[in-house]
Amino acid sequence: AQTVTQSQPEMSVQEAETVTLSCTYDTSENNYYLFWYKQPPSRQMILVIRQEAYKQQNATENRFSVNFQKAAKSFSLKISDSQLGDTAMYFCAFNNNNDMRFGAGTRLTVKP
Amino acid sequence: EAQVTQNPRYLITVTGKKLTVTCSQNMNHEYMSWYRQDPGLGLRQIYYSMNVEVTDKGDVPEGYKVSRKEKRNFPLILESPSPNQTSLYFCASKPSQGYEAFFGQGTRLTVV
Repeated sequence: AQTVTQSQPEMSVQEAETVTLSCTYDTSENNYYLFWYKQPPSRQMILVIRQEAYKQQNATENRFSVNFQKAAKSFSLKISDSQLGDTAMYFCAFNNNNDMRFGAGTRLTVKP
Repeated sequence: EAQVTQNPRYLITVTGKKLTVTCSQNMNHEYMSWYRQDPGLGLRQIYYSMNVEVTDKGDVPEGYKVSRKEKRNFPLILESPSPNQTSLYFCASKPSQGYEAFFGQGTRLTVV
């Protein structure tokens, strides 16, 4: 079975600075997707960014980018120019069509 | 508007009193699933359904039932709730050939 590990339960960053959240996963599959979801205090699950495993190029969405290392099974999220609204729980997720797994989450606090 | 709708958003109940949390999606998605979210554990899958009349156990199915009589609905049933089922519950759906999951707003369940 696939597993997803987020080793940082909590992190903090100063407003306008850059922070990187770590995620590793374990799978024997070759085709899959990886995601980062944001969960603000409203509890809503918001898709931040996704990466197709067959693509070598790292995904980027505005201030959010990933460092996808397929061989190392690593999928970190970098948030640039952190904003107060980025304060939330962040979940890394693995999906291979039949199975969607989540990490335990990283609680990120952006400090003014 | 494309969405996944869960009801109720909040529920407080007593041990042993049967309850149902409803989930409905309007995107004609084949795949639907239920997760529970607990601190430090992330989202864990309870049950999932690949299509109508097809359901399978996830990682933590004990104490839960589901049904998939129609494509759009996937209710979660707790026949005899216990305090250890106090949690935040999410329903999600996605197309069978797609990878991005769409989440409901969450249901905060407290069993006393």
